[in-house]
Amino acid sequence: ETGVTQTPRHLVMGMTNKKSLKCEQHLGHNAMYWYKQSAKKPLELMFVYSLEERVENNSVPSRFSPECPNSSHLFLHLHTLQPEDSALYLCASSQESPQGANTGELFFGEGSRLTVL
Amino acid sequence: GQSLEQPSEVTAVEGAIVQINCTYQTSGFYGLSWYQQHDGGAPTFLSYNALDGLEETGRFSSFLSRSDSYGYLLLQELQMKDSASYFCAVRDLGGGFKTIFGAGTRLFVKA
Repeated sequence: ETGVTQTPRHLVMGMTNKKSLKCEQHLGHNAMYWYKQSAKKPLELMFVYSLEERVENNSVPSRFSPECPNSSHLFLHLHTLQPEDSALYLCASSQESPQGANTGELFFGEGSRLTVL
Repeated sequence: GQSLEQPSEVTAVEGAIVQINCTYQTSGFYGLSWYQQHDGGAPTFLSYNALDGLEETGRFSSFLSRSDSYGYLLLQELQMKDSASYFCAVRDLGGGFKTIFGAGTRLFVKA
């Protein structure tokens, strides 16, 4: 396995279900991210983990709960979602240096397409 | 707050040159990136500008003017495979490492 892999690729869930999205990066990076992509809207940054510590939570509703058990794995736990949460959820990783003195190039997974009924 | 503006759609013909503009407003700015995303695929990194001027990578070039909060992506010798969405993104270090994206420009390349 190389790069950033996300599972599942597609997920359909009811509003009362609990599910999780999984992301794994094989690049040795030290930062991981969750983005939400909806049609004709900017990619929305949801969460940032640097060295397994959450450093950003962009006012995301509590029905989304991230978990980063180690530098290679990132989860997004979902519960009691709303239909407007239907979107493509993208995981990304990057190698960050002190003071951010690099490009911050993000490596994205293929995404998990979520449909909330 | 942070915002990026770019055109929603651009159409061009094979072999032509197209320029996709991006203006931004951010509380902190470290650099401007460009990403390409084909339908059903993941966004992939194209270029990064931290300083004013033009960066060239093959058929693609990217320009930045920090004083104008403006940049553009220039695609030359367009090919059908260049049909995709192109996102400008600001690297912002306020409060941690963040990359904030624009809404994307859908490029249609016609024969």
